[in-house]
Amino acid sequence: NAGVMQNPRHLVRRRGQEARLRCSPMKGHSHVYWYRQLPEEGLKFMVYLQKENIIDESGMPKERFSAEFPKEGPSILRIQQVVRGDSAAYFCASSPPNGGNPYNEQFFGPGTRLTVL
Amino acid sequence: AQSVTQLDSHVSVSEGTPVLLRCNYSSSYSPSLFWYVQHPNKGLQLLLKYTSAATLVKGINGFEAEFKKSETSFHLTKPSAHMSDAAEYFCVVSDLMRSGNTGKLIFGQGTTLQVKP
Repeated sequence: NAGVMQNPRHLVRRRGQEARLRCSPMKGHSHVYWYRQLPEEGLKFMVYLQKENIIDESGMPKERFSAEFPKEGPSILRIQQVVRGDSAAYFCASSPPNGGNPYNEQFFGPGTRLTVL
Repeated sequence: AQSVTQLDSHVSVSEGTPVLLRCNYSSSYSPSLFWYVQHPNKGLQLLLKYTSAATLVKGINGFEAEFKKSETSFHLTKPSAHMSDAAEYFCVVSDLMRSGNTGKLIFGQGTTLQVKP
């Protein structure tokens, strides 16, 4: 059973460009979480999605950031018009439906390290 | 609101000596608590989790943690440090157990463990 997959692992963008980060959850997992890790900091929750639904986006910046988890395909975190402050590691985690995971253990991908020049 | 405080940003031990990484949490109900480890430029790996079944939790690689409700602590210990233990360690609480919450993980700031030969 493959783990959580994220791509690309490293992404370099110039200010003003768009960044698209992809996350494929573990097989059988229908819940996806995105976290951001700024340099020298812990991870901060951004958004929680289930298939075709955003459940909690309380950690998402109000502008330029969006996320989706379509019926088919990976979850996408999209950052428009990137700025230097967006440089960070972005981690995706997945978990099975709550009935099979009452304590919400989440399984993390290797992360995408975004550098904005 | 829930929160996690890791009391030491850096801990340095000699190889073969005990490790203690301290964590205090704040929660108004019985939480789910986790310790994750992150090696440089890698993703996060679950070391252990507390899910109310037992207060002393054993994890991988010889780590264990004890949940102490009276002290609101969940310190991570290992009897004998190995060079490969050098990494960043995160104490994490999940808010899933509270009705209406969505299970996002709340991370501490992290503790960098240095192991000297």
